[in-house]
Amino acid sequence: QQQVKQSPQSLIVQKGGISIINCAYENTAFDYFPWYQQFPGKGPALLIAIRPDVSEKKEGRFTISFNKSAKQFSLHIMDSQPGDSATYFCAANAQTGANNLFFGTGTRLTVIP
Amino acid sequence: EAQVTQNPRYLITVTGKKLTVTCSQNMNHEYMSWYRQDPGLGLRQIYYSMNVEVTDKGDVPEGYKVSRKEKRNFPLILESPSPNQTSLYFCASSLGRGGFEQYFGPGTRLTVT
Repeated sequence: QQQVKQSPQSLIVQKGGISIINCAYENTAFDYFPWYQQFPGKGPALLIAIRPDVSEKKEGRFTISFNKSAKQFSLHIMDSQPGDSATYFCAANAQTGANNLFFGTGTRLTVIP
Repeated sequence: EAQVTQNPRYLITVTGKKLTVTCSQNMNHEYMSWYRQDPGLGLRQIYYSMNVEVTDKGDVPEGYKVSRKEKRNFPLILESPSPNQTSLYFCASSLGRGGFEQYFGPGTRLTVT
């Protein structure tokens, strides 16, 4: 059973456009929601993370939007660049208790020049 | 340089031949874990370790063993590999279990024929 559902599986965006990746979860104990970025041949690396006490977090061109009532969160990449082409994973866990980090299935983003 | 290293990076083996994938981190992290990455399934946790001599099963532990005799090392052992263990494996470490950035190694691509 997938703890975190991620969509779309793949995404093609023109340079300068907005890329949007969505994730949903069911476990209300989750209180930490990171996004990881993975380039081909590399391990995933933390891109940005949010905790549920805020509805949005922005770091440069990357923004997480968080909707606690809907149990959904999304990654927005503004002014997408070819260098953003990578696989993106959302994840979730609880900071206390027995939960480990659960990952979504990944979104392969391709930004066309 | 803070990093997680894995060896080997690529491995082709035959069914039933025991193998070990090594993982080492130089950040004095207490928490380490192993993931496998498969197309369409994302990253799934195999085993994790909270500290030396403390290990526990993740979501997909069948067919794998681990040990944590030293804080920096967390090897993954396949006693009798099977073709369904063909996958891309990642080791990761972090300061703690929940709410902390996980640092991933570069990955080990394993093929079992």
